[in-house]
Amino acid sequence: DQQVKQNSPSLSVQEGRISILNCDYTNSMFDYFLWYKKYPAEGPTFLISISSIKDKNEDGRFTVFLNKSAKHLSLHIVPSQPGDSAVYFCAAKGGSNYKLTFGKGTLLTVNP
Amino acid sequence: EAGVAQSPRYKIIEKRQSVAFWCNPISGHATLYWYQQILGQGPKLLIQFQNNGVVDDSQLPKDRFSAERLKGVDSTLKIQPAKLEDSAVYLCASSLDINEKLFFGSGTQLSVL
Repeated sequence: DQQVKQNSPSLSVQEGRISILNCDYTNSMFDYFLWYKKYPAEGPTFLISISSIKDKNEDGRFTVFLNKSAKHLSLHIVPSQPGDSAVYFCAAKGGSNYKLTFGKGTLLTVNP
Repeated sequence: EAGVAQSPRYKIIEKRQSVAFWCNPISGHATLYWYQQILGQGPKLLIQFQNNGVVDDSQLPKDRFSAERLKGVDSTLKIQPAKLEDSAVYLCASSLDINEKLFFGSGTQLSVL
């Protein structure tokens, strides 16, 4: 039972363009969402998060949008840079359970 | 600030052998996590410690996996005996407290042949 779904295993964009990574969730108890970025042979690193009381959070080139009614969130990277090439994991938690549930990840490749 | 340290980086063993992984969290972090990441999957929580105590081990295969966190600092994760399906990256993470941001180590890549 996959509660956090990233349906696109990979995404390729040109440098300077927008990257949009999508994530869907099924558990209505989730109220906090995070994006992690992972380079090969390294552990995931925290990128950006959003609480369910908000519908948008921005940090520099990264913006996360949350649509609670659709149980959908997305990560926008503008402009995309080659150094953004990595696997991006969507994660969620909520209720009395602090456990993070991760999606399978999306491999982003930004071409120069 | 030193990050989460893990060792070894790589381990190759045969099925039915035993293996142990070590983790040193960021100094002062009360919460420590072990995650298993199988190729093509997201990290899955195996066990979570708060200081010395276990908070969640609901997804730990307790017939073969064990973990301890002595003195609320370092932690070891052991698999005995290993199965082929245990091949994965084992990630350790720590956070200042429950519900705080997680910091991950680089992981141990385990191959069971």
